[in-house]
Amino acid sequence: DVKVTQSSRYLVKRTGEKVFLECVQDMDHENMFWYRQDPGLGLRLIYFSYDVKMKEKGDIPEGYSVSREKKERFSLILESASTNQTSMYLCASSPPGLLQETQYFGPGTRLLVL
Amino acid sequence: KQEVTQIPAALSVPEGENLVLNCSFTDSAIYNLQWFRQDPGKGLTSLLLIQSSQREQTSGRLNASLDKSSGRSTLYIAASQPGDSATYLCAVIHRGAGGTSYGKLTFGQGTILTVHP
Repeated sequence: DVKVTQSSRYLVKRTGEKVFLECVQDMDHENMFWYRQDPGLGLRLIYFSYDVKMKEKGDIPEGYSVSREKKERFSLILESASTNQTSMYLCASSPPGLLQETQYFGPGTRLLVL
Repeated sequence: KQEVTQIPAALSVPEGENLVLNCSFTDSAIYNLQWFRQDPGKGLTSLLLIQSSQREQTSGRLNASLDKSSGRSTLYIAASQPGDSATYLCAVIHRGAGGTSYGKLTFGQGTILTVHP
């Protein structure tokens, strides 16, 4: 059974803190994605990675960075957390050959920045 | 820029009804269209994936159709049950520059479905 796990379900941080959100997939997928989900705005792509050490900006990369040192792990980094980064963060992965495969999502991390 | 719209934003129906959720997209140059389900506070689960060359896909009580030329898709749920209550999201993978997209999805904002007993 395919599995995408995220390090925390709930996280509370203070403004200015450096925050790491971790995502691990066990399906040997090349592609990995980070989204944030906000009421009224839907899911928006922050960053994605199509291979180890490769990354591309999504639609809303400002204030975020990512790291992919190993194929199975994709980290989202908030360099200096701000209150407008309070959100639900979802990680996903997919194999290459996009015509056939869907994305598999983790359970999400709900982040509150105070 | 691809935009995906879902109508209605919310829907409440009695158990047993057949229902239709709508999705529209602005750019018809897509690889595929997918329907997801999201339970409150949870991640997304893929329901159906329709390739751009296909017209429909079926899984149990669910049927999704795709009319790429008009930029529309519908998700039909037959004989709805309370367990179908969730948010349903439509998403497309569209062709980027040079034909690459790396599987990036553009999502609609979802339809919140409530099926009451």
